[in-house]
Amino acid sequence: AQSVAQPEDQVNVAEGNPLTVKCTYSVSGNPYLFWYVQYPNRGLQFLLKYITGDNLVKGSYGFEAEFNKSQTSFHLKKPSALVSDSALYFCAVRWGNQGGKLIFGQGTELSVKP
Amino acid sequence: DAGVIQSPRHEVTEMGQEVTLRCKPISGHNSLFWYRQTMMRGLELLIYFNNNVPIDDSGMPEDRFSAKMPNASFSTLKIQPSEPRDSAVYFCASSHKLMGVSGNTIYFGEGSWLTVV
Repeated sequence: AQSVAQPEDQVNVAEGNPLTVKCTYSVSGNPYLFWYVQYPNRGLQFLLKYITGDNLVKGSYGFEAEFNKSQTSFHLKKPSALVSDSALYFCAVRWGNQGGKLIFGQGTELSVKP
Repeated sequence: DAGVIQSPRHEVTEMGQEVTLRCKPISGHNSLFWYRQTMMRGLELLIYFNNNVPIDDSGMPEDRFSAKMPNASFSTLKIQPSEPRDSAVYFCASSHKLMGVSGNTIYFGEGSWLTVV
């Protein structure tokens, strides 16, 4: 079955330090991978996506993610965390070539302390 | 661009009442998705439409739930009768659907916060 996993429920980082939020996936065929962020009482905001090409993808607010096919991972990274980055982060995957459904990981709560 | 518009933003209703959630997708988008978010189950896809036609409703929890998309700019998700376990945030989302391209970004509305007492 197609799935996506975020192994950490929570990640704690000091402001100014680099952050990584982990994501692994399992799909048949080529994956299309996405990261979304959710602030309290808000909807999901798109951050970045990997479709094809360069494995390092850059997105909004200084975030980037690296697609690793051999490890079936798509970890979200940022070189220097901000307190305002504190939020819930979701990895998601689509597959196939018919524009089908997007399934989500369980989410990772990122907390950045001053 | 106005984004995906959902209404109501918040609703509190009594068990047994009918609930109707509404969604206006982004203009020009022809795929529409309904998701439910709870603490226990995370984000679940309930149903999605392409060109107003339901494609996959396997996530709809039971017959009490129904969704329609009468035209390209409007969709409803109805719960009848509602139960306390239906309390959740319901998100509508939309995207372009180009044949052969699953990489189109899906954009979410702000959600409808439903509480059934």
